[in-house]
Parts: sequence; C-alpha cells; structure tokens
Amino acid sequence: EVQLVESGGGLIQPGGSLRLSCAASGFTVSFNFMTWVRQAPGKGLEWVSIIYSGGDTYYADSVKGRFTISRDDSKNTLYLQMSSLRAEDTAIYYCATTGGAALDYWGQGTLVTVSS
Amino acid sequence: EIVLTQSPATLSLSPGERATLSCRASQSINNYLAWYQQKPGQAPRLLIYDASKRVTGIPARFSGSGSGTDFTLTISSLEPEDFAVYYCQHCNKEFTFGGGTKVEMK
Repeated sequence: EVQLVESGGGLIQPGGSLRLSCAASGFTVSFNFMTWVRQAPGKGLEWVSIIYSGGDTYYADSVKGRFTISRDDSKNTLYLQMSSLRAEDTAIYYCATTGGAALDYWGQGTLVTVSS
Repeated sequence: EIVLTQSPATLSLSPGERATLSCRASQSINNYLAWYQQKPGQAPRLLIYDASKRVTGIPARFSGSGSGTDFTLTISSLEPEDFAVYYCQHCNKEFTFGGGTKVEMK
C-alpha cells in the first residue's frame, strides 16, 4: 500500500528556513515523479515543485531561488528545503505522486506558518 | 505558461441534481487534464485523469469530458458526500491547478 507521510512543518519567523520531509512506503521514490503542492488557509491548491525520476527539477515562479526539492533514495524520502520564508508561504504542504494516472497518492499534509 | 480557469466559483445545488463544472485552458492541452475532489481537512482525491478516465473506485456518477481547451466534470446526481471543492489540473513538466469550484448544498 502506498503511503506518504509529511513532517517538518511548524512556526517559523519571516526570513527563516525550514526543511520538510515526505517519507514514502509501498513504492520507490526514485521510480516516480514526486511533487509538492501547497494550500494557503482558505485558498486553492498551488503547485510548488517537482522532481522527476531522472532527477530533473522544476519550481513555481513564486518559490524559485528560495526552495529546493530533493530526494534521498536510501531513505525513500522526499524533501523540500525552504529558505527566505515569507508570510505568503504560510500553507499546508502536501507531497504527492503518481500511480500511473495523475496525482494518485497524497500525504496528509504538514502546516507551515510564517509569522513573527 | 498554461492557465486553467474554472467556473463557476460556487455551484449551489440540492442532492439529486446534476452538477456541471467547467475548466478552460489558456491554450490547447489535448486531453491531459485531471480532476480532484477535496473535502474540508482532507487531502485532494483524484477522480478523473486524461480528461475522461475514471479512477478505480470512483462512482459512475462522476464523468469527465472535453479536449483541447474546454473540459467538463459532470456529477449526474449529487449525493450528500459530493458537496466539496473540485479542482482541475494539467501537467506539462510543471503542474497547473485551476482555482476550484465549490459545490455547496442549496
């Protein structure tokens, strides 16, 4: 059974850094693309970043240069390193992956709050 | 950059009624469109992919149609558990989501 479990969220001051993790089970992260999607309070879904099986990465313009996506194949875990955080980065961050269709599998999300 | 525009923003309907949700792409995306349902406090759930293919386990009352720039998600007869927010999504190396349509109970 595919499972995705995010962790690492919390309260962080503007300008700070945070690393989110997404532990995967039931499949191998390096075989699929893995993506981060966020949702600000009361708002819609916003795609953040993706890493493909070959290692190519892409970012939304809103986070380019500040966020870095990576994975650790030995730990079967996806990461999102976030720096220079802003109030507008406050959101629930979901990791998601494909089962062959689209974003078939989602984690439960981890809340990041950027506030002084 | 492809932009997905969903309409209406809110749909107020009663159980048993038909819901028709629209998603329009700023340029042709062939049939590379997915639909998700999200309920409060939950992660999104994939319903439809490749515009019209229903995910295993999704009830037959959900159907998707369209190609090119205009797509539709239809719920033939609303059940109480269908009142939620629905998002369309496209991927071409990068992902794009529509702004969502909230289906609320009248």
